[in-house]
Amino acid sequence: GAVVSQHPSRVICKSGTSVKIECRSLDFQATTMFWYRQFPKKSLMLMATSNEGSKATYEQGVEKDKFLINHASLTLSTLTVTSAHPEDSSFYICSAKGDRAGQPQHFGDGTRLSIL
Amino acid sequence: AQSVTQLGSHVSVSEGALVLLRCNYSSSVPPYLFWYVQYPNQGLQLLLKYTTGATLVKGINGFEAEFKKSETSFHLTKPSAHMSDAAEYFCAVISSGGYNKLIFGAGTRLAVHP
Repeated sequence: GAVVSQHPSRVICKSGTSVKIECRSLDFQATTMFWYRQFPKKSLMLMATSNEGSKATYEQGVEKDKFLINHASLTLSTLTVTSAHPEDSSFYICSAKGDRAGQPQHFGDGTRLSIL
Repeated sequence: AQSVTQLGSHVSVSEGALVLLRCNYSSSVPPYLFWYVQYPNQGLQLLLKYTTGATLVKGINGFEAEFKKSETSFHLTKPSAHMSDAAEYFCAVISSGGYNKLIFGAGTRLAVHP
């Protein structure tokens, strides 16, 4: 149980393109979803937290107009990197959890984004 | 505020040897603690968690961790390392702020040698 599917696993695109990454909870209702960015050999950096039907809460220093997050249902959240540039190249990981306190976050397999 | 410190960014053991990955936390409230493992180019997989109750927690793949409040520690152990255990390991604590955000340690890379 507690499977989170993230798609696509890898994206290579030109500078200026917008890229959408999907995160789905396959067998549970994800009240809250999180989006992380991970730099090489580093820990995860939380970008934003989204609750179903609400606007995302962004961490300090994360541009909300650059990284658009939508959490339209209890099983799907999307991250859109708008007008991507090479410095946006990174490994992006989503996670999801239910609504009980202390429940673990369940992670997707990540998306490797490469902007040329 | 919560924080997590993982002592040792790299740990190297021989196959069959004991694995010990250290994690100390700081929390103003009773903590919820987690260990996750990350294989190359993948997301994180939950190994085990501590919320309440028994302080010795058993997880997947033969790992276990013991919550020691007096030492503010949650070290991860495995009696006998396998080559397949080579990965990055993250200790995390739930933030006392909203949304149950996770506070991660910097990670420990475990290498297993034949």
